[in-house]
Amino acid sequence: QKEVEQNSGPLSVPEGAIASLNCTYSDRGSQSFFWYRQYSGKSPELIMSIYSNGDKEDGRFTAQLNKASQYVSLLIRDSQPSDSATYLCAVNGGYSGGYNKLIFGAGTRLAVHP
Amino acid sequence: DTEVTQTPKHLVMGMTNKKSLKCEQHMGHRAMYWYKQKAKKPPELMFVYSYEKLSINESVPSRFSPECPNSSLLNLHLHALQPEDSALYLCASSQAGNQPQHFGDGTRLSIL
Repeated sequence: QKEVEQNSGPLSVPEGAIASLNCTYSDRGSQSFFWYRQYSGKSPELIMSIYSNGDKEDGRFTAQLNKASQYVSLLIRDSQPSDSATYLCAVNGGYSGGYNKLIFGAGTRLAVHP
Repeated sequence: DTEVTQTPKHLVMGMTNKKSLKCEQHMGHRAMYWYKQKAKKPPELMFVYSYEKLSINESVPSRFSPECPNSSLLNLHLHALQPEDSALYLCASSQAGNQPQHFGDGTRLSIL
């Protein structure tokens, strides 16, 4: 059974701080890793994709991947109240030429307080 | 605004009704997905279509029937649903290969 583990939170951080969200996965063969943000009552929104070891930065977001340790993380710098949402880690759990099946973690709820 | 369009946004139906959910994308993606999401849970995969062929059915009850009329459209036909089927139904699409999925806004379904 392929699994993706996340701390459900809530993770509470003050405005302007760095929020650090972590995710571990069980399948060593996974090749693609994604972070989605989901506001309450809305659909998941892709915020980061990462495929190789190391860091990938996009604005205030940095994704980090360590395949040897089987973890992927998301850092949010200068956190804003508008970042308050559930963050879903998704790892590919089956890949053919035609589709990319994703395994989702349970999500970490982030609360940024003024 | 998302590039995956789902209709309707809300649907209330009785247990004996037949209805359909629709999903459309114009990004040239060749894979399309249906998910079910309950409150405070992650999306749960139901079906995957790749190049208009059903590739994955995650043991979904037959009261849910998917259809992919062409590469841009995905339908989910509903019949004789149960109250526990009330949920947010999400459609997603992706390019072929190891690419991310892009979600529509979802249809919030309530079964009376």
